[in-house]
Amino acid sequence: SQTIHQWPATLVQPVGSPLSLECTVEGTSNPNLYWYRQAAGRGLQLLFYSVGIGQISSEVPQNLSASRPQDRQFILSSKKLLLSDSGFYLCAWKPGEETQYFGPGTRLLVL
Amino acid sequence: GIQVEQSPPDLILQEGANSTLRCNFSDSVNNLQWFHQNPWGQLINLFYIPSGTKQNGRLSATTVATERYSLLYISSSQTTDSGVYFCAVRYNAGNMLTFGGGTRLMVKP
Repeated sequence: SQTIHQWPATLVQPVGSPLSLECTVEGTSNPNLYWYRQAAGRGLQLLFYSVGIGQISSEVPQNLSASRPQDRQFILSSKKLLLSDSGFYLCAWKPGEETQYFGPGTRLLVL
Repeated sequence: GIQVEQSPPDLILQEGANSTLRCNFSDSVNNLQWFHQNPWGQLINLFYIPSGTKQNGRLSATTVATERYSLLYISSSQTTDSGVYFCAVRYNAGNMLTFGGGTRLMVKP
């Protein structure tokens, strides 16, 4: 069966520090992968999606970047965090044309 | 882009009550999903329902694609049903889901 992992589960970082969040999927190959951000407990905003290794599409201009160094790994990064980057970051994958599945999320607090 | 609106934004129920959550969307869609986000943040798939009706236990969903809305029914609600319910749609040939703002449900014992 397929599973999706996110690391870390929670993170507290100072403003201006770098960020690296990791998402990995097991039990599948060549999935579509997605990064979402959720602020204030509702409203998911799509940040990035990837249909293959090295292929990244960005939905909104921002302080963040994404990379897909391996087929089942999706990385969300920042060189310098802003206060407004705080939120709940969710990774998702889609095996085909239908359902999208979400990981457990990473709670990021920027102080 | 497509607009997705959910109503009501907040709902408080007594345990055992029934409820209907609504999702309206502004354009034709080829994918519609309902999710439940529990108090710990986990998003759980409820239904993939671009059209028609599906049932899973106490939950059921109906999508009328021609009229651009979907309904999620919760019967005999339980405290574990609390959380936020999202609908999300995909339109055209894109890979992205567009989420509604959610309905925050609280079921009181």
